[in-house]
Amino acid sequence: KAGVTQTPRYLIKTRGQQVTLSCSPISGHRSVSWYQQTPGQGLQFLFEYFSETQRNKGNFPGRFSGRQFSNSRSEMNVSTLELGDSALYLCASSSGQGGNIQYFGAGTRLSVL
Amino acid sequence: AQTVTQSQPEMSVQEAETVTLSCTYDTSESNYYLFWYKQPPSRQMILVIRQEAYKQQNATENRFSVNFQKAAKSFSLKISDSQLGDTAMYFCAFMKQGGGNKLVFGAGTILRVKS
Repeated sequence: KAGVTQTPRYLIKTRGQQVTLSCSPISGHRSVSWYQQTPGQGLQFLFEYFSETQRNKGNFPGRFSGRQFSNSRSEMNVSTLELGDSALYLCASSSGQGGNIQYFGAGTRLSVL
Repeated sequence: AQTVTQSQPEMSVQEAETVTLSCTYDTSESNYYLFWYKQPPSRQMILVIRQEAYKQQNATENRFSVNFQKAAKSFSLKISDSQLGDTAMYFCAFMKQGGGNKLVFGAGTILRVKS
């Protein structure tokens, strides 16, 4: 079974631009969660989608948004990029309602210049 | 809100020896899950071990075991017979039962295994 796939692996953007990151979960998994990892703040939860509905949301500004498609693939969008948005963005998929193991992708490294 | 604290930013251990990583958490929930994840350098995060709070028995996975003390809100990870491939950042994480798949992570412990 293929693992969680995140594209692209690396991105360089400038302040004010917007960016879209993609995540393809493990086949059969219906839950996709997104996390931001930075040296200063560590790993922080962004949001979770389950069967195309946002089920959980972290404490991030409205510039961070996401969606999930009927095939469970998910996208995350960040608008009006700021320098502080530079981070590793991790996506994780899970098979069930909650409490199940989350399988992580390799991440997308976003650099904002 | 839940918080997870890992008080050891860095640790080192000799190959073949045993090391214990500490984790404490704060929650008012009765039912939850606890996890240890491993993130090797430049590689993706993988699950090491998972514990359900309602189970008193400590989880084990080969060389990895936990000491789960629910009353003390403590969840330490013991790695026996350490191997060079265990070198990684280790994260302790909390998930509330019935709250979907939202992990709350600690700051992590960098573990270096020396030959």
